[in-house]
Amino acid sequence: SYVVTQAPSVSVAPGKTARITCGGNNIGIKSVHWYQQKPGQAPVLAMSYDNDRPSGIPERFSGSNSGNTATLTISRVEAGDEADYYCQVWDSSSQHAVFGGGTKVTVL
Amino acid sequence: QVQLVESGGGVVQPGRSLRLSCAASGFPFSRSAMHWVRQAPGKGLEWVALMSYDGRNKYYADSVEGRFSISRDNSKNTLYLQMNSLRTEDTAVYFCAGSPPGISLYYFDYWGQGSLVTVSS
Repeated sequence: SYVVTQAPSVSVAPGKTARITCGGNNIGIKSVHWYQQKPGQAPVLAMSYDNDRPSGIPERFSGSNSGNTATLTISRVEAGDEADYYCQVWDSSSQHAVFGGGTKVTVL
Repeated sequence: QVQLVESGGGVVQPGRSLRLSCAASGFPFSRSAMHWVRQAPGKGLEWVALMSYDGRNKYYADSVEGRFSISRDNSKNTLYLQMNSLRTEDTAVYFCAGSPPGISLYYFDYWGQGSLVTVSS
């Protein structure tokens, strides 16, 4: 079955740029979706179809996907962006959703 | 306003059964594929099961295949998860999640707040 991998943690200073990556074999041909989860809360869709930002998600959030890596980029990071971020793809061969292990973003 | 409200969680002994429910409102439930996603304490998200909008198609994670059963009642806007032969490793918060209508490469636009299932003797 398809596997996606994420780095466990990323640290970034306020006002700087955080890049959260999601790796997978030829992931560039798949649609990648991203979720933000704060402690004790349900996940929230942060980005769909690689770079489609849902309403309510700040313009500082953007996405890209090419080759073997998809990336969620958070510009001008704020304290409120501190959360776990998960990437997800749909594996149509198995009809299973696949989540990355999650990346904890810490704002220094 | 979208609402997904899970219920039915609790503490159960290994080998026993539990049924979760998820009451939906504020979006086109009967046209939306619905899922269960779980999160073990301190761990990441794990997809559990999918039911298509019309109930014709069901898919399960390998870890629950043969033990869990997903179902829905579109007349009541409610999704269910019947969990049998529970194991300690099934301990998790179980989220009900919905996909937008009309897609087949699913993602999760709507989420409930989750229901904690603890499997322990």
